[in-house]
Amino acid sequence: DTAVSQTPKYLVTQMGNDKSIKCEQNLGHDTMYWYKQDSKKFLKIMFSYNNKELIINETVPNRFSPKSPDKAHLNLHINSLELGDSAVYFCASSRTSGIQETQYFGPGTRLLVL
Amino acid sequence: GQQLNQSPQSMFIQEGEDVSMNCTSSSIFNTWLWYKQEPGEGPVLLIALYKAGELTSNGRLTAQFGITRKDSFLNISASIPSDVGIYFCAGDNYGQNFVFGPGTRLSVLP
Repeated sequence: DTAVSQTPKYLVTQMGNDKSIKCEQNLGHDTMYWYKQDSKKFLKIMFSYNNKELIINETVPNRFSPKSPDKAHLNLHINSLELGDSAVYFCASSRTSGIQETQYFGPGTRLLVL
Repeated sequence: GQQLNQSPQSMFIQEGEDVSMNCTSSSIFNTWLWYKQEPGEGPVLLIALYKAGELTSNGRLTAQFGITRKDSFLNISASIPSDVGIYFCAGDNYGQNFVFGPGTRLSVLP
């Protein structure tokens, strides 16, 4: 079935609210990622976790806080949402954090901040 | 849900050779995109295609949006070592249904 799943698929919310996006992978992978896709379809990595530990934390506002309760889950919590946070957020996973590993992407969460 | 197939899964070529890879789907998309992921990096957008039949180039890269809207191909001419990476296709329907293919892993031998 679905290898990398994200919920919700759509999220519409007011500016200033706090929201969470969940990601789960059933591939037994050790490493998970969050990407933000802008309106021109460019992907930017936000975070990467390996076995529940943060290994990449690109320059994102500290309103974004990832949480990995176990290696199959990487959730993204966003505080005080702003209009510029509107985007599609993709979760991905890979077998290990090795640089040659293939990443498997989830279906994306479409966030709209009003 | 919708799935994309990419072929080949991996390829080894000599520097200077041309490369061709494709992406197919059982359902139609309104947009096709090609990304390249280098070791240790996230995928980088190479080419975006918005119209059936469209042929677009970006340097040595050329991509086409299939007439049936169910496929796309990517060609790389005169490959060089820095072309090494994983090439992902992705299909999109007005931002409502974005799907990545499994990737084609390209190795370039000197």
